[in-house]
Amino acid sequence: AQSVTQPDIHITVSEGASLELRCNYSYGATPYLFWYVQSPGQGLQLLLKYFSGDTLVQGIKGFEAEFKRSQSSFNLRKPSVHWSDAAEYFCAVENQAGTALIFGKGTTLSVSS
Amino acid sequence: NAGVTQTPKFRVLKTGQSMTLLCAQDMNHEYMYWYRQDPGMGLRLIHYSVGEGTTAKGEVPDGYNVSRLKKQNFLLGLESAAPSQTSVYFCASSGTGYGYTFGSGTRLTVV
Repeated sequence: AQSVTQPDIHITVSEGASLELRCNYSYGATPYLFWYVQSPGQGLQLLLKYFSGDTLVQGIKGFEAEFKRSQSSFNLRKPSVHWSDAAEYFCAVENQAGTALIFGKGTTLSVSS
Repeated sequence: NAGVTQTPKFRVLKTGQSMTLLCAQDMNHEYMYWYRQDPGMGLRLIHYSVGEGTTAKGEVPDGYNVSRLKKQNFLLGLESAAPSQTSVYFCASSGTGYGYTFGSGTRLTVV
């Protein structure tokens, strides 16, 4: 069965430091991949998505992600974290039938001053 | 343009009570979904629909029923609520271009 793994449950980063959130997926073909962010008590906001083409994807709020087929990874990065980036981040892959998203369990990001 | 609207936003139920959560989308999307979110579990798919009049089971369907009588609406029902159904419920819809739009969630507590 398809699955998404986010190895880090909680990460703390200093404000201004760089960030990388890890995501690994299991999928036979070319996956459709997504990163969402959720602030406390809020809904999910799409940061970026990958369908095909350039493996480095730019998103909103200064985030980017790189698709690496050989590593089955789609890691999210940001060069300089702001305090407002503190939130929970979810990686997701569309299932093979194309009928739903499968989510990882999420990574909580804390930003220290 | 409201996108995906969920009602109610909060609800407290007693064990054994029933209720219906309503999801409405105004983007003419074919696909609609109900997920539940629990701490440390991410979002898990309850049921989904690929078009008006169709429904299908997701990962965690037990204890829930759904209906899609109109293309814009997707209803999630709990016939006999249990404490294990305390969760945050999210509705989503998707159309061409692989865009998934989520509602703001319904926080349900079963006591």
